[in-house]
Formats: sequence, structure tokens, C-alpha cells
Amino acid sequence: GAGVSQSPSNKVTEKGKDVELRCDPISGHTALYWYRQSLGQGLEFLIYFQGNSAPDKSGLPSDRFSAERTGGSVSTLTIQRTQQEDSAVYLCASSITSGRTETQYFGPGTRLLVL
Amino acid sequence: SQQGEEDPQALSIQEGENATMNCSYKTSINNLQWYRQNSGRGLVHLILIRSNEREKHSGRLRVTLDTSKKSSSLLITASRAADTASYFCATAVSGGSYIPTFGRGTSLIVHP
Repeated sequence: GAGVSQSPSNKVTEKGKDVELRCDPISGHTALYWYRQSLGQGLEFLIYFQGNSAPDKSGLPSDRFSAERTGGSVSTLTIQRTQQEDSAVYLCASSITSGRTETQYFGPGTRLLVL
Repeated sequence: SQQGEEDPQALSIQEGENATMNCSYKTSINNLQWYRQNSGRGLVHLILIRSNEREKHSGRLRVTLDTSKKSSSLLITASRAADTASYFCATAVSGGSYIPTFGRGTSLIVHP
């Protein structure tokens, strides 16, 4: 079956513009996670959803970042007034539930470059 | 700070050799997972080891877990050029919600 998909694959934007990143999880997966990976760095947790609710938003780096999930499926990560330090690969993952032994399935990521 | 940290940061070996990378973590865990990442894109799950397990095998992969030392190792035997990738450990901390915490990874290069 289809895996996790993300769009766009690459996004180049100018500083100060807003961007929207989309994640389509695997059908039936209730948990969805957003991570950010800067060059040569590990994965920085941003936010996770269980269904449509986000129990943990602690990783969002600033109030310029927001995310929503509708219908327990597609999620959108929005970055307002982008800054150059927002340049990174944004990875989305989903799992059947948010249980501790669940495997996360990752999408290919969106590579964001803020000029 | 990172919960899990991989060591070494980079590893370069010849095809056929074994590759060993380590992961250390700080707090008690429920389980530990290893993932692989090619070319800075999505991660692929390799293996999960629970806190009450000491060793697990999957094909050419062997994972060990030492909870007393708060460390895990991933061994890839008879490496191939296709094993070239970054390898990450992710820990699930005991208690609380499950937010896997990833280290910075080990970059493995296998020369043909």
C-alpha cells in the first residue's frame, strides 16, 4: 500500500513569506509526527497528533510555527514569516497508534530553503 | 539536549567488513529503535528492542541493549556498499507520552 507522502518535495521561498507543508499519512494511522532536520543534525521533534488533537506542541520552535490535522488524516505544517534559520528538511511520520512500541513510518520529507 | 547519542559520528569501512555503531541515552527507556536514513530523506525502521531484551537479530543486523550502561549497539555484518547511510537510534522514555527522541546519527560509508 501507499506509504507516507509529503508535498512539496522541495520548496524555495523568500524570507518573510509563509509556507505550507503537507503530510499524507498511511491510511488508518492515528498518530502523526512532524520533525525538523537541519544539515548534519538529528531529528528535532516539532509536534505530534493523536487523531486530530495535538497533545504535545512543545517542540514548535516559535509562534510562527503551527500545524493542524483534519479528518484524522492529512496534516499541514505552516511556517509564517519564514526566516533563514527555518531552512531544513521537514519530515513527517505516522504510526498506527501513539503506543510506545509502535514503528514510525516516515515520508520522504520536504526540503525547505529560505533565501 | 538529545536523549540518544550515536557514536561514532562517522564510520568508513570496506565492503565485507563489519560495522558497529553505538547509542547512549540518559533516562530509563521502554524500548529503543534503530532507523536508517538515505540521502537526508525519510527514515526507515530497522529493528526495535525492548528494555527487557538484551539482544535481537534481523538478517545481517544484530542489536544489543545494556540498560545498566544505558547503551545499545547496532552491528551490521558483511557490509555492502548499499548499507551506506546514516543510522539513528530512537528511544521511548518510560512513562509519559511516546515521543521518540532521535540522536544525531552515525554516518556510515561502505567502500566497494
